[in-house]
Amino acid sequence: AQSVTQLGSHVSVSEGALVLLRCNYSSSVPPYLFWYVQYPNQGLQLLLKYTSAATLVKGINGFEAEFKKSETSFHLTKPSAHMSDAAEYFCAVTRSGNTGKLIFGQGTTLQVKP
Amino acid sequence: KAGVTQTPRYLIKTRGQQVTLSCSPISGHRSVSWYQQTPGQGLQFLFEYFSETQRNKGNFPGRFSGRQFSNSRSEMNVSTLELGDSALYLCASKEGGSSGSNEQYFGPGTRLTVT
Repeated sequence: AQSVTQLGSHVSVSEGALVLLRCNYSSSVPPYLFWYVQYPNQGLQLLLKYTSAATLVKGINGFEAEFKKSETSFHLTKPSAHMSDAAEYFCAVTRSGNTGKLIFGQGTTLQVKP
Repeated sequence: KAGVTQTPRYLIKTRGQQVTLSCSPISGHRSVSWYQQTPGQGLQFLFEYFSETQRNKGNFPGRFSGRQFSNSRSEMNVSTLELGDSALYLCASKEGGSSGSNEQYFGPGTRLTVT
């Protein structure tokens, strides 16, 4: 069975500091991995996706993530945090491209301090 | 292209009632998935419809059902509402075919409150 673990339900960084949100997955088959962001009272917005084409994936708003099979990880990073990055972030996995069933982690709330 | 739309955005119902939520996918998308989001359980997959057929189903009771129309619009129905059904219900669409893109695009959600 597939599962996703996000380490740290809350992460706090100062504006301009590195953002690192951790995600580890469990999958018996090569996974498709995604990061989504959710702002208050809104739906989920896709930040980036990994589909085996490249291990370093660049997304929107300056975010990127690196797929490391040996560590079963897909951590999300951003070199310099902005106040507007404060939101909840979700890592998700799916078995194949044909299914709409996403398995989500519990989410990480990112706080950005001025 | 217009994004995924969901109606209504907010809904208040009483225990025992039933409710129907609607989702219009992005034009050209044939797959629609539904998710329930609660503070305690997080984001949980309900079901997916593709070309008017249920393609995947999560672990929810039979009170939760859905359907998809020929124009790909989807509805989700919850019967005999319970307090625990209070949640944000999110709909997501994707192209859906075997050669289509696998990323899902989410609507703003319907906030259901059961009293």
